[in-house]
Amino acid sequence: KAGVTQTPRYLIKTRGQQVTLSCSPISGHRSVSWYQQTPGQGLQFLFEYFSETQRNKGNFPGRFSGRQFSNSRSEMNVSTLELGDSALYLCASSLDAGELFFGEGSRLTVL
Amino acid sequence: AQSVTQPDIHITVSEGASLELRCNYSYGATPYLFWYVQSPGQGLQLLLKYFSGDTLVQGIKGFEAEFKRSQSSFNLRKPSVHWSDAAEYFCAVERTGGGNKLTFGTGTQLKVEL
Repeated sequence: KAGVTQTPRYLIKTRGQQVTLSCSPISGHRSVSWYQQTPGQGLQFLFEYFSETQRNKGNFPGRFSGRQFSNSRSEMNVSTLELGDSALYLCASSLDAGELFFGEGSRLTVL
Repeated sequence: AQSVTQPDIHITVSEGASLELRCNYSYGATPYLFWYVQSPGQGLQLLLKYFSGDTLVQGIKGFEAEFKRSQSSFNLRKPSVHWSDAAEYFCAVERTGGGNKLTFGTGTQLKVEL
């Protein structure tokens, strides 16, 4: 079956702009989680959505937001981009709690 | 708050040699424990997981890990490393019943010498 699909894979933005990243989970998976990966901070949890409701939230500022649609697809948005937001953003899906299946990520560069 | 420590940032082993990657966690109870592997430019792939029961768990690609409650450790092992195992390895914990909120270690970069 198809894996987790993230789009776009690469993007470049400038400071102050906003960005929306998309994630299509594995068919049947209702949980979608987002993680930020940077060389300095490593892998950090952003948020998790389950059946369109935010179930968990990490320690990121309000500029980072997300949502999940009825078909379980999810988007995350970062507003007013800062240089420090440059990172690999990973999406993961799961049936429920437990094993996560990760996508290949969206690499965001902020200039 | 829970935390995960991977004390080895880089490890180099010869192909065919055994491997052990260390992971220690800090958490009030026994969490769910995971090992993930990440190849360059790729996402994370689950190698194995521990939820409860037998403390020695088998994973994919010939990896295994042992949960030791007394040491708060979950070390990853492989008896014979292949060149294709070169990648970055992450240990992660999840609070039981806490949904899919993983706390990751900083990772161990594995280099395999031929």
